[in-house]
Amino acid sequence: AQSVTQLDSQVPVFEEAPVELRCNYSSSVSVYLFWYVQYPNQGLQLLLKYLSGSTLVKGINGFEAEFNKSQTSFHLRKPSVHISDTAEYFCAVSDQRNTGKLIFGQGTTLQVKP
Amino acid sequence: GAGVSQSPSNKVTEKGKDVELRCDPISGHTALYWYRQSLGQGLEFLIYFQGNSAPDKSGLPSDRFSAERTGGSVSTLTIQRTQQEDSAVYLCASSLAGVGTDTQYFGPGTRLTVL
Repeated sequence: AQSVTQLDSQVPVFEEAPVELRCNYSSSVSVYLFWYVQYPNQGLQLLLKYLSGSTLVKGINGFEAEFNKSQTSFHLRKPSVHISDTAEYFCAVSDQRNTGKLIFGQGTTLQVKP
Repeated sequence: GAGVSQSPSNKVTEKGKDVELRCDPISGHTALYWYRQSLGQGLEFLIYFQGNSAPDKSGLPSDRFSAERTGGSVSTLTIQRTQQEDSAVYLCASSLAGVGTDTQYFGPGTRLTVL
């Protein structure tokens, strides 16, 4: 079985500051890793995904994430956040055997303050 | 092109009533997923369709929940004899092929409130 842990339920940060949202996963098989964002009253939107190759993945809106196999982590980072980045962020895994089903973490609410 | 659409956007029902939630996936996407988002449980997988077949129903919480997909397109999630614990946002997603590398595209969800 696979699981995803997002270590912080809420992350408050000031505008233009850097931010890191943490994600750890557990799996007995290789996985694909995803970060999705949910803006208020909207559906989920893909930020970025790791499938293979370079462990540093760049996504939309200036976000990037680094896959660390030894630490089973996939932390999301942005060097300078904007008010518009205020949203809930979900880390998810799908394994290489299955049907694309996503297993999500509990989510992290990013609160960007002016 | 059009994204994933869901209807209704909001549904309020009384305990014990049946409800139907609809999902229209992106045209050409063979895979369709239902998830449930609730305060206590986060985002949970419910069921996966490939075409009109449902090879993975492992997330359906009880036999009160069922889903079907017709014409390889529209899907309906039905909850019979609704209970208060069914209150949640029900999200539908579709993807091109239904494999682990695919990006899933999500609809805006249906917010279900059971009184």
